[in-house]
Amino acid sequence: QKEVEQDPGPLSVPEGAIVSLNCTYSNSAFQYFMWYRQYSRKGPELLMYTYSSGNKEDGRFTAQVDKSSKYISLFIRDSQPSDSATYLCAMSRLTGGGNKLTFGTGTQLKVEL
Amino acid sequence: DVKVTQSSRYLVKRTGEKVFLECVQDMDHENMFWYRQDPGLGLRLIYFSYDVKMKEKGDIPEGYSVSREKKERFSLILESASTNQTSMYLCASSLRGFDEQYFGPGTRLTVT
Repeated sequence: QKEVEQDPGPLSVPEGAIVSLNCTYSNSAFQYFMWYRQYSRKGPELLMYTYSSGNKEDGRFTAQVDKSSKYISLFIRDSQPSDSATYLCAMSRLTGGGNKLTFGTGTQLKVEL
Repeated sequence: DVKVTQSSRYLVKRTGEKVFLECVQDMDHENMFWYRQDPGLGLRLIYFSYDVKMKEKGDIPEGYSVSREKKERFSLILESASTNQTSMYLCASSLRGFDEQYFGPGTRLTVT
């Protein structure tokens, strides 16, 4: 069983829809949670970074962490065609040498006109 | 603007060849990383470096080595390329540990 599970999609939504992207994880030691966006043929770019449980909002994006359920979400409001990309969740725990990131496999999102 | 560059976008090599992948960052970051990205497997850490001449193994270091002679440059070396090393290779850097990593555009390597 993978430490981090993420539905690969593809997820197709109409422009303006609210998008919900999710990851589940098995290791309760994870403390830091991130969402990366990766456009086709590009490297991932950091979208959101949260520590422990709760919500964090940045413009049209909201990251939500529920540590009791080992579940994290990224919500995109008023989705745009430019949001079409693969979204990767990542998380880390304290290790001796630092916080290694464990990535989900990514969810492919397509926002259609 | 933060920038991580990788020497090649696409590379085709033959089995047994020695392959060098170069990564340069202009942000004065202490930490640099090499990942490979494969469908269904996500990003997996190969090696990372906290400082010049320092290196640490990641989750899948077998068949790879690294070199960091200057702070801004981190090289990944495939000593004898094999077909199972065909993949997308991503370099990243960060100011603090593994937090807030900035990625390069990736090198798609094909080994035939």
